Amino acid sequence: GQQLNQSPQSMFIQEGEDVSMNCTSSSIFNTWLWYKQEPGEGPVLLIALYKAGELTSNGRLTAQFGITRKDSFLNISASIPSDVGIYFCAGQRIPGTYKYIFGTGTRLKVLA
Amino acid sequence: NAGVTQTPKFQVLKTGQSMTLQCAQDMNHNSMYWYRQDPGMGLRLIYYSASEGTTDKGEVPNGYNVSRLNKREFSLRLESAAPSQTSVYFCASRGQVSFYEQYFGPGTRLTVT
Repeated sequence: GQQLNQSPQSMFIQEGEDVSMNCTSSSIFNTWLWYKQEPGEGPVLLIALYKAGELTSNGRLTAQFGITRKDSFLNISASIPSDVGIYFCAGQRIPGTYKYIFGTGTRLKVLA
Repeated sequence: NAGVTQTPKFQVLKTGQSMTLQCAQDMNHNSMYWYRQDPGMGLRLIYYSASEGTTDKGEVPNGYNVSRLNKREFSLRLESAAPSQTSVYFCASRGQVSFYEQYFGPGTRLTVT
């Protein structure tokens, strides 16, 4: 089945550093969602993007819906230890459908 | 307001046994979903229900059945468990106000030996 490509697969960063990750596809998407998953928990929605070029922030997190509609980006500024987790992107390709395709995830570890 | 709840949290089955995973949401959402998550992979859709009384196959439906019992509840059944079904299972629901946003339960960790 189709999955979205996320990169990098994993990151080890120092506390205070900024983080960038992205999600790409060969297909056009109409909605992009970014989730964070902590160990033993379900994914928690961070940011939702609804139109090409949209830039949305949630605290230290900023996400962008790529102009081509085939990609999305998530940035975390001034990382802190509690940012540790797996970040997933998800997209809805066909308007009006109820199916989402998920990325393979970026595992983030923050070194204090 | 508990959001999306799932039971059980953990389960171990022997090959060939059956079981039902339960999911309930209290957000008055129409759409509900079942996903599985395997190591190193994202979530893959098993089945979904766009509204009460309807269900549709997702990406990996083989070996599973679902029931949308009412608007609140959406169950996933394994009729004859296989080791390949060892996974973490997540239920999710999607709202009407924030139309595209899915909310997930805490997951059920299933091991089939």
